[in-house]
Amino acid sequence: AQTVTQSQPEMSVQEAETVTLSCTYDTSENNYYLFWYKQPPSRQMILVIRQEAYKQQNATENRFSVNFQKAAKSFSLKISDSQLGDTAMYFCAFGSNYKLTFGKGTLLTVNP
Amino acid sequence: GAVVSQHPSRVICKSGTSVKIECRSLDFQATTMFWYRQFPKQSLMLMATSNEGSKATYEQGVEKDKFLINHASLTLSTLTVTSAHPEDSSFYICSARLAGADYNEQFFGPGTRLTVL
Repeated sequence: AQTVTQSQPEMSVQEAETVTLSCTYDTSENNYYLFWYKQPPSRQMILVIRQEAYKQQNATENRFSVNFQKAAKSFSLKISDSQLGDTAMYFCAFGSNYKLTFGKGTLLTVNP
Repeated sequence: GAVVSQHPSRVICKSGTSVKIECRSLDFQATTMFWYRQFPKQSLMLMATSNEGSKATYEQGVEKDKFLINHASLTLSTLTVTSAHPEDSSFYICSARLAGADYNEQFFGPGTRLTVL
């Protein structure tokens, strides 16, 4: 079974600064996907970014980028130019066989 | 695109009654839908995987007779909590996988808050 570990229960950052959220996972599979989902106070899950394990290039989506280290089984999320609207719970997720396994989440607060 | 709706968004019921939650994919066909449960300040825990036209597959520890799942069409899955008790109070979230997609992304509904008195 896969496990996903987010070691930072809470983090805070000043508006306009950069923050990195950590995620590690454990699997014996070679083909899989990794995701970061955002859950704001509304509790709607929103996809932030996706990474295919077979791709070496790190995924980027505007202010969001990942550092994917397959050998180390690490998948961190970097948020640049943080905005107040980025305040949310962030979940790292491992995807394989069309199922998702979520980490426990990191509560990110962006301070003005 | 890829919008998933849930109804109701909130429901309060008395202990012992049954509650049905609907999950619909509004603008795409979903061969597979998933049901999650989320307790306050915790992560999403997969309860079951629902495939259109077949029986749902439940995760270990989930009572299939208590949480009845039906996936009668490519756009609708329902979760019925039977004989609900206060410990069933939780936030239930459904998600759907785009039919034919070769990746594992799931599109999530807005969730249903169930309170059992």
